[in-house]
Amino acid sequence: GQQVMQIPQYQHVQEGEDFTTYCNSSTTLSNIQWYKQRPGGHPVFLIQLVKSGEVKKQKRLTFQFGEAKKNSSLHITATQTTDVGTYFCAGLGFQKLVFGTGTRLLVSP
Amino acid sequence: DTEVTQTPKHLVMGMTNKKSLKCEQHMGHRAMYWYKQKAKKPPELMFVYSYEKLSINESVPSRFSPECPNSSLLNLHLHALQPEDSALYLCASSQDHPGAASGNTIYFGEGSWLTVV
Repeated sequence: GQQVMQIPQYQHVQEGEDFTTYCNSSTTLSNIQWYKQRPGGHPVFLIQLVKSGEVKKQKRLTFQFGEAKKNSSLHITATQTTDVGTYFCAGLGFQKLVFGTGTRLLVSP
Repeated sequence: DTEVTQTPKHLVMGMTNKKSLKCEQHMGHRAMYWYKQKAKKPPELMFVYSYEKLSINESVPSRFSPECPNSSLLNLHLHALQPEDSALYLCASSQDHPGAASGNTIYFGEGSWLTVV
């Protein structure tokens, strides 16, 4: 079945450092969505990417969808303590949204 | 703030109990979902309802029984659960079914924390 892997599993950065998580799917995706889940919270939608090679920005967050529509990345510039949480990509394959394994981000002040 | 409302927020039940989780959305969405999430793991799809009909069952054990009384409500009936079923149960909804045209964002509720003792 469809598998979506993310690396790294965990990253601990100092506030102000940059952070990147990478998402790879075993199959081509119709689109990819990114979610953030704070500790003890629920997944919150961040953004959706649809087009091959698409790049979208939200303030300090930059999202990219690969040319082959099988991979994606999320880059955070100058992390803040409010960025703490687990970032999930979720790929839309055949009729189902499958979540990636997630990257847990810890930011120290 | 989420527009998908789940009750109860916390539930402790014994292995012989029967209980239900409830979910409600008033966004006019026609697809609703149940996901299960264990600690430090991604959400795993359990069921998808599209236009009030069950469209996907991810081989979930029969001790979990979904029900969609109308387009705004989704229930998950629980019976004879096992301790390993303890998890966060997330309800979600989207404008249309997952395979529809792009732009189909999925919105999650805050979840129901279930503990089976």
